[in-house]
Amino acid sequence: QKEVEQDPGPLSVPEGAIVSLNCTYSNSAFQYFMWYRQYSRKGPELLMYTYSSGNKEDGRFTAQVDKSSKYISLFIRDSQPSDSATYLCAMSVMREKLTFGTGTRLTIIP
Amino acid sequence: GAVVSQHPSRVICKSGTSVKIECRSLDFQATTMFWYRQFPKQSLMLMATSNEGSKATYEQGVEKDKFLINHASLTLSTLTVTSAHPEDSSFYICSASPAGGNEQFFGPGTRLTVL
Repeated sequence: QKEVEQDPGPLSVPEGAIVSLNCTYSNSAFQYFMWYRQYSRKGPELLMYTYSSGNKEDGRFTAQVDKSSKYISLFIRDSQPSDSATYLCAMSVMREKLTFGTGTRLTIIP
Repeated sequence: GAVVSQHPSRVICKSGTSVKIECRSLDFQATTMFWYRQFPKQSLMLMATSNEGSKATYEQGVEKDKFLINHASLTLSTLTVTSAHPEDSSFYICSASPAGGNEQFFGPGTRLTVL
């Protein structure tokens, strides 16, 4: 079993829809959770950073962490074609190496 | 803020040559930098963790004599792929953590093609 599981997709949704992306993990020691967006042939861009359980909102993006279920989510409201990218979840125990999910390829259809 | 640059963005070299990739944190000091490799349609695989002024820590299966890492200052880390072979062709990405912070900010990546 991988430490971090993420559905690779691909996921296609119409423009304006709410997108839900998820990851599950097995290591209960993880306490820092991140979501990155990666466009093709580019480096990952940090979208959301959360410590421990709870919700965090930034514009159209909301990150949720449920440590009891070992489950994290990223919601994108009012999705735009420019949101089409690969979304990677990542997590870490302390200030050290990140463990990444495989990434979910998202396409927003105009 | 939190900008990380990489140079070069793309390099093509002949088999057997060495290639150096630079990673710079432009607007913050990074005590720790990380080097990743990413194959097409796959996630990032950590190669090594680089701390300023000390030896890098390599992940299992990564040859330290082949992938030389130097973290000479708080804003610069270099990865040298020595005696590159076609199987080393990949997308190499660095990241940097600000001193005292937990986030990692990634560079734009370097695409290496070994002929």
